[in-house]
Amino acid sequence: QQPVQSPQAVILREGEDAVINCSSSKALYSVHWYRQKHGEAPVFLMILLKGGEQKGHEKISASFNEKKQQSSLYLTASQLSYSGTYFCGTGPLRLIFGKGTKLSVKP
Amino acid sequence: NAGVMQNPRHLVRRRGQEARLRCSPMKGHSHVYWYRQLPEEGLKFMVYLQKENIIDESGMPKERFSAEFPKEGPSILRIQQVVRGDSAAYFCASSPLRSEDGYTFGSGTRLTVV
Repeated sequence: QQPVQSPQAVILREGEDAVINCSSSKALYSVHWYRQKHGEAPVFLMILLKGGEQKGHEKISASFNEKKQQSSLYLTASQLSYSGTYFCGTGPLRLIFGKGTKLSVKP
Repeated sequence: NAGVMQNPRHLVRRRGQEARLRCSPMKGHSHVYWYRQLPEEGLKFMVYLQKENIIDESGMPKERFSAEFPKEGPSILRIQQVVRGDSAAYFCASSPLRSEDGYTFGSGTRLTVV
């Protein structure tokens, strides 16, 4: 089943923070986060695994609440380069992605 | 180390023709996944393959679409008798052993049916 992302879109000024949420109606084993810029391929950001293990990006953090079946991606002190659409994906085996959150960072 | 290679980048087909999309995974990756993306929409799962095996094709339309990942050579997504609704970006991704190692996506093939 497709995870649900919120918000659908967010506009920030440079330096502001943002939180993107991803929730699932079924138990989560892992949550993946990707960012896609317009016309480009999605790029891996982070994986959060059941049990707390994280693999990913230095400048972006995320949480994984197994009990609530939710994950949140935290973007702090946003830069112009953070603009893009963020997707969460849930497994196992093959990822089903949410509909995405479009993030626009303005100067 | 070359990434995931997809070709062609752009493909134009007339209605009723066949489209063949190719994907060479990253070196050392044995799992391949195909996704379709419409403009301003998310990534819709189509099929998951390992060498010579289809693991999950639950996202593939029942007719006209097929995929393979032979022992030698790239993975192929084949769309027969294309229709206008097949126009989309098709992305291939690969992973080393399992999805928990993270995907690497190719640059995609933009299919336009005229």
